[in-house]
Amino acid sequence: SQTIHQWPATLVQPVGSPLSLECTVEGTSNPNLYWYRQAAGRGLQLLFYSVGIGQISSEVPQNLSASRPQDRQFILSSKKLLLSDSGFYLCAWSGEGPGELFFGEGSRLTVL
Amino acid sequence: GDSVTQMEGPVTLSEEAFLTINCTYTATGYPSLFWYVQYPGEGLQLLLKATKADDKGSNKGFEATYRKETTSFHLEKGSVQVSDSAVYFCALKTSYDKVIFGPGTSLSVIP
Repeated sequence: SQTIHQWPATLVQPVGSPLSLECTVEGTSNPNLYWYRQAAGRGLQLLFYSVGIGQISSEVPQNLSASRPQDRQFILSSKKLLLSDSGFYLCAWSGEGPGELFFGEGSRLTVL
Repeated sequence: GDSVTQMEGPVTLSEEAFLTINCTYTATGYPSLFWYVQYPGEGLQLLLKATKADDKGSNKGFEATYRKETTSFHLEKGSVQVSDSAVYFCALKTSYDKVIFGPGTSLSVIP
């Protein structure tokens, strides 16, 4: 069966520090991968998605970036965090076509 | 661009009342449509989906019909229960695998 792992679960970072959130999927090949941010009491904002290695689509121009160094690994990064980057970040995967999304457990980021 | 609009609520209903949560979308091509649910303290999970026009998705007493002519995918349930209290998200998946969500609708069902 397929599983998705996302870490770290919680982190507190100072403004201006770097960020790296990692997500890996097991039990499938060539998944579509997604990064979302969910603000408290609000919906999911799509940040990046990838349909294959080296193929990253950015939906929100900001100081975040994403990379897919391996087929089942998706990394969200920042060189310098802003206060506004605080939030709950969700990684998800799906198969091709009309398949549903499967979510990781999320990473709660607090920027101080 | 692609977008999903849904009533944001919060919605408060008495047990056994009828539920409708409206969802409309804008997308190029022929997207697949989804409803996800997030129960308190839990992650998002798929509630139902429809992949082409006039398809009806159903699960746990909830239904939604893909209406291409009105670009809508409204969620309905004939008789809600306290256990249906959750946040409901409408979402679409484009033909190039982009998935976007509506803002979510918070539902509270009171006994």
